[in-house]
Amino acid sequence: EAQVTQNPRYLITVTGKKLTVTCSQNMNHEYMSWYRQDPGLGLRQIYYSMNVEVTDKGDVPEGYKVSRKEKRNFPLILESPSPNQTSLYFCASSPTSEGTQYFGPGTRLLVL
Amino acid sequence: QQQVKQSPQSLIVQKGGISIINCAYENTAFDYFPWYQQFPGKGPALLIAIRPDVSEKKEGRFTISFNKSAKQFSLHIMDSQPGDSATYFCAASENSGNTPLVFGKGTRLSVIA
Repeated sequence: EAQVTQNPRYLITVTGKKLTVTCSQNMNHEYMSWYRQDPGLGLRQIYYSMNVEVTDKGDVPEGYKVSRKEKRNFPLILESPSPNQTSLYFCASSPTSEGTQYFGPGTRLLVL
Repeated sequence: QQQVKQSPQSLIVQKGGISIINCAYENTAFDYFPWYQQFPGKGPALLIAIRPDVSEKKEGRFTISFNKSAKQFSLHIMDSQPGDSATYFCAASENSGNTPLVFGKGTRLSVIA
């Protein structure tokens, strides 16, 4: 089944404790992206990647890191999480940047 | 600067009625306009999309209307059903360049019986 998977789905952590949210797609898509969704603010792009080893900042990159060492994986790294990073995070992939994006199921993060 | 402005933020419609969600954009280079539907606890999924060479696209009860001169596009849901209750996002992108999809802030639709 073609899909985007994210892990973990739910995470509670404390301020300053490094965490990684994994994202993997099995559709051989070139483009991958991370979004955060907050009430009243919609989907805001954090980082995106056009291809392996190519990443770029989205609208809200502060406090986040990403890497794209393999085509299928695009992990999101929070080196020192803060409470304002409490949010619902979505990973997405698509054949190209402007094409249909396929979203993962989301990761709900709470930073205390 | 918000590149795609979506309204209303929330919408309540009676079962059987027409739901209308509007979006406006500024970037005249945008040439791909999708709508995504998101149910609670799920990721968004593509619902319907349009390119500016047509003014309207219909898929079942869902229709996109596109007005290039006004730089506006809208989603119409005919015969709205409780199962349509979800958050809807409009989006836009440039087909010719390597620029990411830009999303509106979303509209939470509730269809009541």
